[in-house]
Amino acid sequence: GAGVSQSPSNKVTEKGKDVELRCDPISGHTALYWYRQSLGQGLEFLIYFQGNSAPDKSGLPSDRFSAERTGGSVSTLTIQRTQQEDSAVYLCASSFAGTSGSNEQFFGPGTRLTVL
Amino acid sequence: AQSVAQPEDQVNVAEGNPLTVKCTYSVSGNPYLFWYVQYPNRGLQFLLKYITGDNLVKGSYGFEAEFNKSQTSFHLKKPSALVSDSALYFCAVRDSGAGSYQLTFGKGTKLSVIP
Repeated sequence: GAGVSQSPSNKVTEKGKDVELRCDPISGHTALYWYRQSLGQGLEFLIYFQGNSAPDKSGLPSDRFSAERTGGSVSTLTIQRTQQEDSAVYLCASSFAGTSGSNEQFFGPGTRLTVL
Repeated sequence: AQSVAQPEDQVNVAEGNPLTVKCTYSVSGNPYLFWYVQYPNRGLQFLLKYITGDNLVKGSYGFEAEFNKSQTSFHLKKPSALVSDSALYFCAVRDSGAGSYQLTFGKGTKLSVIP
């Protein structure tokens, strides 16, 4: 079956512009995660959605970052007034949530964001 | 708080030799531990996980990892390395007692298998 898909694969924008990154999770996965991967760094957790519960936004680095998940499926990560330090690869993952959080996550190919 | 450390930024190994990629963790409760691999310009792929039970976990592509509670380690191993194993490897941990399902990842270890 289809894996996690993300679009666009690459995005180049100018400082100060807003960008939207999209994630389509695996069908049936109720949990969805966003991460940021910067050069030389590990994965930085941004936000987590689980079903209809309130999202865990504890990883969002500033109020310029927001995300939503419509209909329990597709998610959009929005970065407003982009800064050069926002340049990174943004990864989306999904999983079956279960009740223990022990399920592995399946990752999309990522969106490479470059802010000029 | 939960954390994970991968002490080696890079590991070089000759093809056919055994490989080890190190990972240590810190959690308050019991850990859920994961290994992922990332090939260039690709997302992360799941290799294996430890949740409970046998300390030796076997995963994809011939990889295995041993959970050591006393040393708080979860090193990734393979008996005989292939050139195609060259990639970036990430260890991740979640505290099973934590309220959030957030995973914490290490910074990654670049594995280079030399022909």
